Amino acid sequence: TQLLEQSPQFLSIQEGENLTVYCNSSSVFSSLQWYRQEPGEGPVLLVTVVTGGEVKKLKRLTFQFGDARKDSSLHITAAQPGDTGLYLCAGGSTSGTYKYIFGTGTRLKVLA
Amino acid sequence: ETGVTQSPTHLIKTRGQQVTLRCSSQSGHNTVSWYQQALGQGPQFIFQYYREEENGRGNFPPRYSGLQFPNYSSELNVNALELDDSALYLCASSLSLTGATNTEAFFGQGTRLTVV
Repeated sequence: TQLLEQSPQFLSIQEGENLTVYCNSSSVFSSLQWYRQEPGEGPVLLVTVVTGGEVKKLKRLTFQFGDARKDSSLHITAAQPGDTGLYLCAGGSTSGTYKYIFGTGTRLKVLA
Repeated sequence: ETGVTQSPTHLIKTRGQQVTLRCSSQSGHNTVSWYQQALGQGPQFIFQYYREEENGRGNFPPRYSGLQFPNYSSELNVNALELDDSALYLCASSLSLTGATNTEAFFGQGTRLTVV
């Protein structure tokens, strides 16, 4: 069974601080997606990484896929209150069921 | 705005009843996946439909069933509702099969189901 663990589960920081969220597994994934979800809404896709070692930047957000495609990280520089939300990583299953396996999420709160 | 719409947005049902949730996929997408998200958890895969056929199913009982129509919209049906079925149900549409194919999935806003 492929599982994804996210850490930390909760994070409360001041505006302007930097943070990193981790997504780890003992399994290999075909790809890794990061989503942000607001309360009562569906997840919104932020980025997809496919190649081991790949790094993608989206403004103040930097995403990295581990060399072995088993883990990923999301780094936010100079966090803003608008970054508040639930961050979810999702791995493309390699077991042939065409599903995405989601982590349990990291709930981020950025205080003004 | 992903172009994926779900209805209804909220629903309250009694234990033992049946429920049907609907999803309209993004234009040009032929694949719909359904996920269940319990409070405080990440979404769990229920099943995926590709060109009107089920392609892959998660660890959910047969009480959970689905359909995909020729226009690629989809329904999720749950029979004999239990209290533990209370959750946010998410529909995601994609250009093709997701998961191992690296195809990106775009989610609707979800249907919040409460079973009392």
